[in-house]
Amino acid sequence: EAGVVQSPRYKIIEKKQPVAFWCNPISGHNTLYWYRQNLGQGPELLIRYENEEAVDDSQLPKDRFSAERLKGVDSTLKIQPAELGDSAVYLCASSLARLSTDTQYFGPGTRLTVL
Amino acid sequence: AQSVTQLDSQVPVFEEAPVELRCNYSSSVSVYLFWYVQYPNQGLQLLLKYLSGSTLVESINGFEAEFNKSQTSFHLRKPSVHISDTAEYFCAVIERVGGAQKLVFGQGTRLTINP
Repeated sequence: EAGVVQSPRYKIIEKKQPVAFWCNPISGHNTLYWYRQNLGQGPELLIRYENEEAVDDSQLPKDRFSAERLKGVDSTLKIQPAELGDSAVYLCASSLARLSTDTQYFGPGTRLTVL
Repeated sequence: AQSVTQLDSQVPVFEEAPVELRCNYSSSVSVYLFWYVQYPNQGLQLLLKYLSGSTLVESINGFEAEFNKSQTSFHLRKPSVHISDTAEYFCAVIERVGGAQKLVFGQGTRLTINP
């Protein structure tokens, strides 16, 4: 069974540029999560999708961040414009069911460096 | 207040020695507790979790954690570590915010095994 796929693995951009991250969850997983992991910290939830609906986006900085999950499968997270403080690893995870206790399966992440 | 606290950012041990990675949680959160592991260049993966029942939970690779309600702790232990256990370990809890529940991670403990 293929795991959660993310691309690109690494991205270096200059501040004020846009950037997008892509995630393909495990087949059949209805719930998809985006996390941000700052250096030396644990992951922090940005947004959670149930199928194509964003059910928790309270931690997403909506002035510059946006996300979508068309057709309830793949998802894209965008930052426009990027700031220096956005440098972090962006993780995508998926789970089979909507229960918060359900195991989340993580992708390898995209390491973003903003210069 | 921090929902989950990992008391050690780094733990160096010798191979075949025992190890304990400490985790304390806030009494205001749920008692759904998790340990995730992140091996070098890989995504996070679930190591073990406590939802209910026996307070001692075990993983397939020899780790165990004990839910201690009076101490509000969920420490991770292994009686004899191997080089392959080198990784970053994250303790996590389910936190209820409004009507939503989300997984909240500690800051992580980097376990380094020396030969």
